[in-house]
Amino acid sequence: NAGVTQTPKFQVLKTGQSMTLQCAQDMNHEYMSWYRQDPGMGLRLIHYSVGAGITDQGEVPNGYNVSRSTTEDFPLRLLSAAPSQTSVYFCASSYSSWGGQETQYFGPGTRLLVL
Amino acid sequence: GNSVTQMEGPVTLSEEAFLTINCTYTATGYPSLFWYVQYPGEGLQLLLKATKADDKGSNKGFEATYRKETTSFHLEKGSVQVSDSAVYFCALRGNAGNNRKLIWGLGTSLAVNP
Repeated sequence: NAGVTQTPKFQVLKTGQSMTLQCAQDMNHEYMSWYRQDPGMGLRLIHYSVGAGITDQGEVPNGYNVSRSTTEDFPLRLLSAAPSQTSVYFCASSYSSWGGQETQYFGPGTRLLVL
Repeated sequence: GNSVTQMEGPVTLSEEAFLTINCTYTATGYPSLFWYVQYPGEGLQLLLKATKADDKGSNKGFEATYRKETTSFHLEKGSVQVSDSAVYFCALRGNAGNNRKLIWGLGTSLAVNP
C-alpha cells in the first residue's frame, strides 16, 4: 500500500491564481480530511468527508472547495489564492469517521507559497 | 466543547535525558487519546494511543497513561536519542455524537543534542 499520497510537494502561486492539491489513499478508508499547519497554530481542519459524495466544512473552510467523487480521491481546490493561504497542507484518512479509536494516516504534505 | 492543552516548546534535551511532555484535556464522556509525532519534513504519524482510563500506550520507548482523575495523558521517555527530535502532538477524539472530531494540541517541538 502506498498509504496517503499528496501532490505536488511544493507549489508557488501568485495572488489570484487557482490550483488543486491532490490527495489519494489506497486503504479503502471512509473518512478523509484536509488540514493546514501554520506556526504556533497547530493543525486546523479545513474540510472533511465521511464517504464518497459527502463533504463538510471544518474550522477554516473559506477560500477552499472540496469534492469526493470516489473513495480514493479527495482534492482540495484553492479558488483564488491569497497570501494568507501560505501554509503546509496535510491530507489524512481513517477507516471510519465513527470510531473514536481510529488512527488517522497522514500524507507527506504540500508546502504552498502564495506571493 | 472538547479541548487539548500541551506544554509549550521548544524543549531542548541532551541525549539520554528523561523526557516529559505534558498534555491535559477537557472532554465529556470517555474520549480516546493519542500522541502523534512529526519528523522534520514529514507528515504526522501515530506514536501511541489509549482508549480508556488507566490504559498505557507505548511505542518506540515512549509511554503515556490515560489518567481520568487528572485528565492528563503525559508523554514520557526514559532516555531520548537525537533521532527523537521532532514535533509531538497530543490529540483527543470523543466517542459520541458531535464529539467524534479529532481535537489537536498545538504541538511541542523537541530537539535532542548529542
